[in-house]
Parts: sequence; structure tokens; C-alpha cells
Amino acid sequence: DGGITQSPKYLFRKEGQNVTLSCEQNLNHDAMYWYRQDPGQGLRLIYYSQIVNDFQKGDIAEGYSVSREKKESFPLTVTSAQKNPTAFYLCASRKPGQGNEKLFFGSGTQLSVL
Amino acid sequence: DAKTTQPPSMDCAEGRAANLPCNHSTISGNEYVYWYRQIHSQGPQYIIHGLKNNETNEMASLIITEDRKSSTLILPHATLRDTAVYYCIVRVAVSGNTPLVFGKGTRLSVIA
Repeated sequence: DGGITQSPKYLFRKEGQNVTLSCEQNLNHDAMYWYRQDPGQGLRLIYYSQIVNDFQKGDIAEGYSVSREKKESFPLTVTSAQKNPTAFYLCASRKPGQGNEKLFFGSGTQLSVL
Repeated sequence: DAKTTQPPSMDCAEGRAANLPCNHSTISGNEYVYWYRQIHSQGPQYIIHGLKNNETNEMASLIITEDRKSSTLILPHATLRDTAVYYCIVRVAVSGNTPLVFGKGTRLSVIA
């Protein structure tokens, strides 16, 4: 089945540690996105990539980094510079086509600080 | 993209129609209305979208007013599994791959 897969589902980070969240899709979508969600809040954009080897900062990129070496993969690293990383992280990809904003989301990764 | 306003929460009895309103008074002629929903601890799921005409699919119906300044998402026979946060988003038709902006949405509670 085609879809978008995030792993792990739960992740714990120690002080000063970098952690990487995985996002893989087999939908052949060009564009991929990372959002952060805090309890009771909407989604906030961290980074997005419209094509391989290219990505742009979103509204809250500080303390995060990404790479897009392959079309299928868009990993997110939460660095030690991100002082409040506890949140629910969502990865999405977009089906191509004009006027078609159908985003497909993964099931999310809950990151907590030890 | 135009801003949207949704009530923070709503209740609906199981089996009844759930009508979720969205105000987008600054919408422009080339902007679509999109609806997504997010069940607890999952990623959002696309529901439906429309430009001017009312739309219906297997999940819901979308009613857009004639002046396009507001819309209503209708779940005709709500079930407990429809309990979720519903997001209304307005978006230009040709926007490339730039991201969707999600607000806080409406938390719908379907009650048995």
C-alpha cells in the first residue's frame, strides 16, 4: 500500500542530544513538509521541501535541520539548540496537481525530553 | 491566503447531522475552501474541498454561501468515530507546493 511512514512513534531526548525523526513516502510526491503540534494547538510549519536537494524554512525552523537527498525521504533532526522540543511532530507529502492541496500525513512522532 | 474563523468546539449527538461552520469573509475569487480533520494522536486527514459550488463525497458535504464568505461542512450521520478536530483552510488555486496553514480548528465531540 502507498503511504507515508513516520518513525519512531515515541522518542525521548536527553539534554544536549540531537535526535532524528524519520519520514518516508512511497507516493512519488515531490513536496514534503514537517509540522509541529503542541497540545491544544494547531500545526506550525518547521521546514518544507518542494523538490530533492532543496528545502525552505517554515515559521519555527530554529533548532531544527532537515535534508532531502532522496525523493522518498525527508528526515528531521531536532538539535540541542531547540530548547523546548516536547511536541507531536507530523510529516506530510503533497499530491501534485493544480488546485489540489490534498496533503497526506504520517501518523506522527511524539517527542519528549527526559 | 485568506484567514478563517471557526468555533473552538461543538457537540453533536450520535446519528444526527454535524454542521461545522467556517467564516472566510476575506476570501478572494481564486481561493478554494479545504477541510481536514485530525483524530486524536493521528495526522490530519483530507475531507473535501470546493470553490463555488456545493460538493459532496463519501465523507461529507461542503456548502459554500453564494458570496463565498462562509461555508459549512456537514457530516450527515455523525458517529463516535467522527470525534476529531476539524480544520477549515482557504487556499489559492495555483499555489505551487508552498505549505498549507492550519489554525486551531473546531473540536467536534460526538456524544452517544
